[in-house]
Amino acid sequence: DTGVSQDPRHKITKRGQNVTFRCDPISEHNRLYWYRQTLGQGPEFLTYFQNEAQLEKSRLLSDRFSAERPKGSFSTLEIQRTEQGDSAMYLCASSRGGGRHSYEQYFGPGTRLTVT
Amino acid sequence: AQSVTQPDIHITVSEGASLELRCNYSYGATPYLFWYVQSPGQGLQLLLKYFSGDTLVQGIKGFEAEFKRSQSSFNLRKPSVHWSDAAEYFCAVGAYRGNKLVFGAGTILRVKS
Repeated sequence: DTGVSQDPRHKITKRGQNVTFRCDPISEHNRLYWYRQTLGQGPEFLTYFQNEAQLEKSRLLSDRFSAERPKGSFSTLEIQRTEQGDSAMYLCASSRGGGRHSYEQYFGPGTRLTVT
Repeated sequence: AQSVTQPDIHITVSEGASLELRCNYSYGATPYLFWYVQSPGQGLQLLLKYFSGDTLVQGIKGFEAEFKRSQSSFNLRKPSVHWSDAAEYFCAVGAYRGNKLVFGAGTILRVKS
């Protein structure tokens, strides 16, 4: 069990640029989640996958955001035309599927995005 | 909708003193409840979880939490705090739908020597 990994750990970009983040979940976990955390707040849910299917998207996920999990393993989160309000920590988590265990989520170290 | 309230933004305790962090939730049925800890610039580490059964649950690093349905609370406790416990602590509840977690705003713990 190597844990959830995320890449990059930090990203500084200029407003209007596109950015992409990667998440590698714990290998035996089939559910993968993305959350966003701004300063002084708890994480807020963005979207989640079961295997390769994206099953729910939050209203926080505007049209500029897209997430994929093409082979049911790693996932990418892309933000197009970044805005300063996108500056946040983007956290990925994974869990086993089914019942209560799907709520037992293990988080990666996060990607800190700064939009200048 | 489910919600979590952590009434204390900051708490300072002396090293070796006991600790209690408060968490209140809003949920219609028996909730799934969690405590996570986050060190600066890091992700969240799961401390403990409650699904059902015994209302006092033990976690890692010497932490425990007690589920009290009548008070809609799930407070985190530790009998003797170490300087390394200084971090931010988040309480979370499992949402009705979508298997997502709903988090409180967090409590920052400072430990003074």
